[in-house]
This record gives sequence, structure tokens and C-alpha cells, in this order.
Amino acid sequence: DAGVIQSPRHEVTEMGQEVTLRCKPISGHNSLFWYRQTMMRGLELLIYFNNNVPIDDSGMPEDRFSAKMPNASFSTLKIQPSEPRDSAVYFCASSFLAEQFFGPGTRLTVL
Amino acid sequence: AQSVTQPDIHITVSEGASLELRCNYSYGATPYLFWYVQSPGQGLQLLLKYFSGDTLVQGIKGFEAEFKRSQSSFNLRKPSVHWSDAAEYFCAVGAVGATNKLIFGTGTLLAVQP
Repeated sequence: DAGVIQSPRHEVTEMGQEVTLRCKPISGHNSLFWYRQTMMRGLELLIYFNNNVPIDDSGMPEDRFSAKMPNASFSTLKIQPSEPRDSAVYFCASSFLAEQFFGPGTRLTVL
Repeated sequence: AQSVTQPDIHITVSEGASLELRCNYSYGATPYLFWYVQSPGQGLQLLLKYFSGDTLVQGIKGFEAEFKRSQSSFNLRKPSVHWSDAAEYFCAVGAVGATNKLIFGTGTLLAVQP
């Protein structure tokens, strides 16, 4: 298995632009999580899905953030419009039976 | 409330020395416990996990952890640290259920001196 796949690995954009981060979970996993990691705030859970249904989005910082999971093999995290304070590493993780498997992350820089 | 505490933000040990990273949790149900490691620029990798049974669990890279229910602890140990162990270590707690959500600690950054 290739593990959790995230794209792009690096994204540099300008303030105000739309950013879309993508995630392909491990086949057969029924839960998917989006995290954000920064030096100041550490690892934060943004939103998670169970069987493609959003369960808890209380960690999404603002309405500028949205996430979708149209099917069991794909999820997106969108930021529109992006701001410099959104600069962080965004991780996707998938899970079956509690153990979470993390992707390599997307390093987002908003100028 | 469910929570995980890693009291040590930063630890420095000499190469070859023993290591113990502390983790305490607060969880209403019987917990499932995990240790993850994150090397610079990488994602989190599972080191070991405890679901049930023997309270001393072995993981990858020579790490082990012991679940102590009476102390609500799940400390990570390694008898002899290698320079390549320098990384950030996260303890997490959860349970098998509808959500598979984990509660993560704030992490302990390990530095290894030659």
C-alpha cells in the first residue's frame, strides 16, 4: 500500500488566492482527519470524516476553510481566500480501528 | 474531559544514554494509547500502540512503553538512544468507536548530544 497520499507537497501562493489541498486515504480506512501544524499552535485537528460524512468541524478556524470528502478515496481541504497566517503544514491522516496513518503533509506558504 | 499531558516540552540526552518520555492521560473509557514520532520535515509515524493485554508493549526502533492504569500513564522508554532518534514525540489516546478520533499531547522534542 502506498500509504496516505497528499498533494501538493509544497504550495506557495499569494494572499487572497484560493488553495486546495488533496488527500487520498489508505484503501479500506473509514475515517479521515485533517490537521494543521505550526510552531506556535502545534498540531491542531481541523475536521474529520467517518464513512465520508463530516463528524466534527469545530477545529476549522474560519469560514474561509472548507473540506469535502466526495468518496472514500478522496478528500480536499480548501482555503478561500488564503491569508499569511494560514501558512503551516497540513496533514491528512486516515484510520481504521483507532490507529491513524499520516500522510507526508503539505507545506503551505501564503505570501 | 479527555486530555493528554506531555510534561516535558524539550529533553536533551547523550547518545547511548537511556530515555524516558512521560505521558499522562485523562480518558473516560478504557483507552487505546499510541506513541508517534515526527522527524524534521516528515509526517507522524507510529512507534507503538497499546490496545489491551500485556501492559509493556514493544515498538519499532527499539522503543517500548508501559501502560500503568493506576497512574494514568503511558511512558515511552529506550535503553540506549541513537543520534537518529532526535525528533519530536507525540503521545495520543483514543478508543475504537464511531469516530476513531485521537487526542494528541503537545509533543516532546528530543535532542541527542554526541
